[in-house]
Amino acid sequence: AQRVTQPEKLLSVFKGAPVELKCNYSYSGSPELFWYVQYSRQRLQLLLRHISRESIKGFTADLNKGETSFHLKKPFAQEEDSAMYYCALSGHSGGYQKVTFGIGTKLQVIP
Amino acid sequence: DTEVTQTPKHLVMGMTNKKSLKCEQHMGHRAMYWYKQKAKKPPELMFVYSYEKLSINESVPSRFSPECPNSSLLNLHLHALQPEDSALYLCASSQELAILRTGELFFGEGSRLTVL
Repeated sequence: AQRVTQPEKLLSVFKGAPVELKCNYSYSGSPELFWYVQYSRQRLQLLLRHISRESIKGFTADLNKGETSFHLKKPFAQEEDSAMYYCALSGHSGGYQKVTFGIGTKLQVIP
Repeated sequence: DTEVTQTPKHLVMGMTNKKSLKCEQHMGHRAMYWYKQKAKKPPELMFVYSYEKLSINESVPSRFSPECPNSSLLNLHLHALQPEDSALYLCASSQELAILRTGELFFGEGSRLTVL
């Protein structure tokens, strides 16, 4: 079974403060991890993926297999970062490839 | 066109009604998905079509019936639903099911269903 845990339902930070959205996973194989974001009144969309090792909109995420974590970080939060963030895992489960989402963390950046 | 389009955006139906949700994409994607999202919960996979064939059914009740008429269209037929089926139904697509390991899901805006 594959599972994604996001321990914080809501994270409030001040503009300019560092942001860390936590994500832990459970998977017996080698997972691929993603962060998806949903801005207000917009569709769910991919923010970044582990395999690309990219920085998108100032966000980065490092896969830590020892801690089974994939935390999303940004050094200086901006108001436009306020959104719902979902951590997701793509793994082989029950004979097929499947994407499982965490419960999501709402990031609120206070001006 | 890089969007997944879902209609209707909102649907209210009684428990005896029959209705359908529609999803369309013109990105040439060969895998299409239905997810269900309840309030304050993550999207949960319902069905997956790969090359117009049903590949995955996550033990969804038969009152939900998916259909993939062609590679661009995905329908979800609804019949005899229960109030607890009220949720946001999301359609998504990806290039192929196999590429999902490292690829991207493209989501529609969703159809918000209310069952009275």
